[in-house]
Amino acid sequence: RKEVEQDPGPFNVPEGATVAFNCTYSNSASQSFFWYRQDCRKEPKLLMSVYSSGNEDGRFTAQLNRASQYISLLIRDSKLSDSATYLCVVNEKSSYKLIFGSGTRLLVRP
Amino acid sequence: NAGVTQTPKFQVLKTGQSMTLQCAQDMNHNSMYWYRQDPGMGLRLIYYSASEGTTDKGEVPNGYNVSRLNKREFSLRLESAAPSQTSVYFCASSVTRTRDEQYFGPGTRLTVT
Repeated sequence: RKEVEQDPGPFNVPEGATVAFNCTYSNSASQSFFWYRQDCRKEPKLLMSVYSSGNEDGRFTAQLNRASQYISLLIRDSKLSDSATYLCVVNEKSSYKLIFGSGTRLLVRP
Repeated sequence: NAGVTQTPKFQVLKTGQSMTLQCAQDMNHNSMYWYRQDPGMGLRLIYYSASEGTTDKGEVPNGYNVSRLNKREFSLRLESAAPSQTSVYFCASSVTRTRDEQYFGPGTRLTVT
């Protein structure tokens, strides 16, 4: 089983739609969680950290469910510029390394 | 403030050649990392340096060596390149190695023929 699993997609949605991605992780001792965004042939860029209480940044909302070991990302009012691959990232507590999921691809169409 | 910079951006090597990928950060971060990214595989950690003067192996260290030259610079060396090392290489840095978000450089696209 992969340490961090994501649906690869692609999720193909119209502008203005709401879309949600989930990610599951295997290490129950993980302590830090992030969502990164990666555009084609570019470096990953931090989108937001995920806190236990959930957090929101504009159109983006992240949630953490420790009991079920998954994190989610909700994007409201999708824009064309949201088209990218979204990487779920979890820290490995025993060695403090970050483990990256393979990413979920989002395509927002006009 | 350039963040994390990497050189070169592109490189083509023949099997058996050697090269060094350079990475520098100007954010006064303590920890630095080297990853490779292959299609469908996600990012895999090659080596990391928790602080100046220390380096540790990551998930896929075979065929690579690293040097933490100073707090700013962390280089990755391929001693004898193989086609399996064709990949995109990203350098990243973070304030510390514990729980902190990492910031990435623009990457080096390496092809080994």
